[in-house]
Amino acid sequence: DIQMTQSPPSLSASVGDTVTITCRASQDIRSFLAWFQVQPGKAPKSLIYAASGFQIGVPSRFSGSGSGTDFTLTISSLQPEDFATYYCQQYDTYPWTFGQGTKVEVK
Amino acid sequence: QITLKESGPALVKPTQTLTLTCTVSGFSLSANGVGVGWIRQPPGKALEWLALVFWDDDKRFSPSLKSRLTITKDTSKERVVLTLANMDALDTATYYCARRAPTGDIDYWGQGTLVSVSS
Repeated sequence: DIQMTQSPPSLSASVGDTVTITCRASQDIRSFLAWFQVQPGKAPKSLIYAASGFQIGVPSRFSGSGSGTDFTLTISSLQPEDFATYYCQQYDTYPWTFGQGTKVEVK
Repeated sequence: QITLKESGPALVKPTQTLTLTCTVSGFSLSANGVGVGWIRQPPGKALEWLALVFWDDDKRFSPSLKSRLTITKDTSKERVVLTLANMDALDTATYYCARRAPTGDIDYWGQGTLVSVSS
């Protein structure tokens, strides 16, 4: 299985900050990388597909980059509704695998 | 508008078989390239992919759970059913269904349903 390693596991930030989350794959996954936002009691939200493509309705303050094994999710000008846990996921190879998550908390 | 909704028991006993239903709307389960998968999240832990059924009825399973899982779709009823046999306390989790887009990624998720395993 492809291992997905996210960092950091958690971070504290304030509204208006820019935050960056990284995700590393244990082998080349080309650009088959997605990012999701998970909040308690809500349906997970798909943010980014193909490493840098925007899902419908995702604000432009979210952006993704990378290819191969190293990927990044950046949230510019953090908003109150952005405090959540973020997961990366590879869909290059079955079984699909997720990172361990990064919790973005209020500083 | 694409929606997915999970339904099933909130509590199952150890060794029982869990049956979950995902009812979809806004798209067809037979649309080329589309799939519906199941993902779970134990309390305080990460997401874990379980299974996926494609528009052409091809299927993929998590190797670690393959022997316990089945996944079927009923296109006419717009439903996908997951069964997980021999439930254990470690299977306590929120179970989500999600749509695989023709581009291969997950684009829509259901709200999730919490399943607890206890005698």
